[in-house]
Amino acid sequence: DAGVIQSPRHEVTEMGQEVTLRCKPISGHDYLFWYRQTMMRGLELLIYFNNNVPIDDSGMPEDRFSAKMPNASFSTLKIQPSEPRDSAVYFCASHRRGSTEAFFGQGTRLTVV
Amino acid sequence: SQQGEEDPQALSIQEGENATMNCSYKTSINNLQWYRQNSGRGLVHLILIRSNEREKHSGRLRVTLDTSKKSSSLLITASRAADTASYFCAKIIQGAQKLVFGQGTRLTINP
Repeated sequence: DAGVIQSPRHEVTEMGQEVTLRCKPISGHDYLFWYRQTMMRGLELLIYFNNNVPIDDSGMPEDRFSAKMPNASFSTLKIQPSEPRDSAVYFCASHRRGSTEAFFGQGTRLTVV
Repeated sequence: SQQGEEDPQALSIQEGENATMNCSYKTSINNLQWYRQNSGRGLVHLILIRSNEREKHSGRLRVTLDTSKKSSSLLITASRAADTASYFCAKIIQGAQKLVFGQGTRLTINP
């Protein structure tokens, strides 16, 4: 298995632009998580899905952030409009039902200038 | 806010020495996990300890859990330069599937 795949690996965008981050979880994993990592705030859970349904989005910082999981093999995290303070590394992780061992993607480093 | 903290925030030791990192948490947990993150990479699962376990070993790793003190420790014995990374504890809160991470410990092994 290729593991959790995230794209792009790096994204540089101008303030005000829309940014879409993508994630392909490991096949057969029922849970998918989006995290944001910064030096100041560490690793924050933004939202997680179970069987493609959003379960807890209490970590989503504001309405500019949205996440979808249209099917079991694909999820997106969208920021519209982006702001410099959104600059961070965004990780996607997944795990299968019955286990809580999470497998992480390599992350997307987002820079908003 | 995140559940608990790791300490120390940074640790620098000589190769061959043992490294101990601690993690505290605030609410009841189902299990506690430790992850490693190499610079510029994603997190990798190291070991899981359940709330009814007190100690667990995996190779050079030893994890303890004290639910009365709401704390855990990760011991890496006979450290190697390749152990240089950040180490995070992660908690599964009872009643939820959320995996909540601490701030991590940056471990540097000096050759």
